[in-house]
Amino acid sequence: GAGVSQSPSNKVTEKGKDVELRCDPISGHTALYWYRQSLGQGLEFLIYFQGNSAPDKSGLPSDRFSAERTGGSVSTLTIQRTQQEDSAVYLCASSLGAGGLAFFGQGTRLTVV
Amino acid sequence: DAKTTQPPSMDCAEGRAANLPCNHSTISGNEYVYWYRQIHSQGPQYIIHGLKNNETNEMASLIITEDRKSSTLILPHATLRDTAVYYCIVRVAHTGNQFYFGTGTSLTVIP
Repeated sequence: GAGVSQSPSNKVTEKGKDVELRCDPISGHTALYWYRQSLGQGLEFLIYFQGNSAPDKSGLPSDRFSAERTGGSVSTLTIQRTQQEDSAVYLCASSLGAGGLAFFGQGTRLTVV
Repeated sequence: DAKTTQPPSMDCAEGRAANLPCNHSTISGNEYVYWYRQIHSQGPQYIIHGLKNNETNEMASLIITEDRKSSTLILPHATLRDTAVYYCIVRVAHTGNQFYFGTGTSLTVIP
């Protein structure tokens, strides 16, 4: 596709359930980022993938959060045992390489009830 | 952590130039200045970036001071669609990883 695609665009889940958020980066982009943005707040870095290197997981807030990137393309962010404080917009971005310009998707709005 | 300081909010009259300042006094020699903006409910959008020379593209101009400790993003003729949060970011290009987004400047363009 022409841009970064995220799905679903909206997700409502019950507290305690697991959720998976998907990101399809721009074709050929080797770097992929996940951020989250709580209501009225700035962007909080979660995790960064670059090629075959070990991902930078330094932003993951707890061990309930994990992410994979299969085949160097699609990425899935998984949140286990969701809590209400996990409610936020989860944004994915990709770039052509390390240090390249990041292009963002439109995000997945997660609401935990 | 974010290495930049921006005013939390600004207003600008429609059709006038919007000048958004950013302080980055601890910037390193190999760090670029990037500007992104986020219109409500959308993902951040790249605007412009530069190292030390002033830059201009179809969206904006970027003026970087000679000592590189501050910069200004200029939207030459602001429109209502430019109402957004503007983020100034410093980052090493080519080898850097994450972008550190601070709190940005909320620009409101007034009719």
